[in-house]
Amino acid sequence: GDSVTQMEGPVTLSEEAFLTINCTYTATGYPSLFWYVQYPGEGLQLLLKATKADDKGSNKGFEATYRKETTSFHLEKGSVQVSDSAVYFCALTYNQGGKLIFGQGTELSVKP
Amino acid sequence: DAGVIQSPRHEVTEMGQEVTLRCKPISGHNSLFWYRQTMMRGLELLIYFNNNVPIDDSGMPEDRFSAKMPNASFSTLKIQPSEPRDSAVYFCASSFGTGGETQYFGPGTRLTVL
Repeated sequence: GDSVTQMEGPVTLSEEAFLTINCTYTATGYPSLFWYVQYPGEGLQLLLKATKADDKGSNKGFEATYRKETTSFHLEKGSVQVSDSAVYFCALTYNQGGKLIFGQGTELSVKP
Repeated sequence: DAGVIQSPRHEVTEMGQEVTLRCKPISGHNSLFWYRQTMMRGLELLIYFNNNVPIDDSGMPEDRFSAKMPNASFSTLKIQPSEPRDSAVYFCASSFGTGGETQYFGPGTRLTVL
């Protein structure tokens, strides 16, 4: 079945460090891919999305490229801030169905 | 827009009691989703509705769980009777379209069953 696998956390970085959170997926069709972020005590918020191969989603300095050949959607940011500390979820869904399939989440902690 | 509204934000109850969680989706959205988040299982879809009709309830754990969407602006998730293993954060999300669209999440209801 369809699934999403993320790198395990927690990830601890110093402020201004480069961030990569790996995400790979298994899918029978051509899904849309998402990164959601969850700040402490809050619900999930969409961070960025890509709907087809080679699309790049970007928002707030984060970016991820839909790589069909490697079935990946890695999240990157060039310089993290303390305010980026949160849990990040990679997810997929199909155009003909509404179900979001999430990875297990990766906790990011950024230290000053 | 007010976003997705969930109530209550926190619920503490005793085993065997009935629990009802409520959700108001974003106005104009036609799909509604109920998710459960636990440390052990992560985020899992329980059920989703499209145009008030349940489309996929395969994630509902057992008969103790039921969900309704009587109209486009309101949904409930009921657990009867509740058990300690039901303790989790329950999220409601909504979207517009038939699939593949961005889902907007509510703040969640933290349920504790003693």
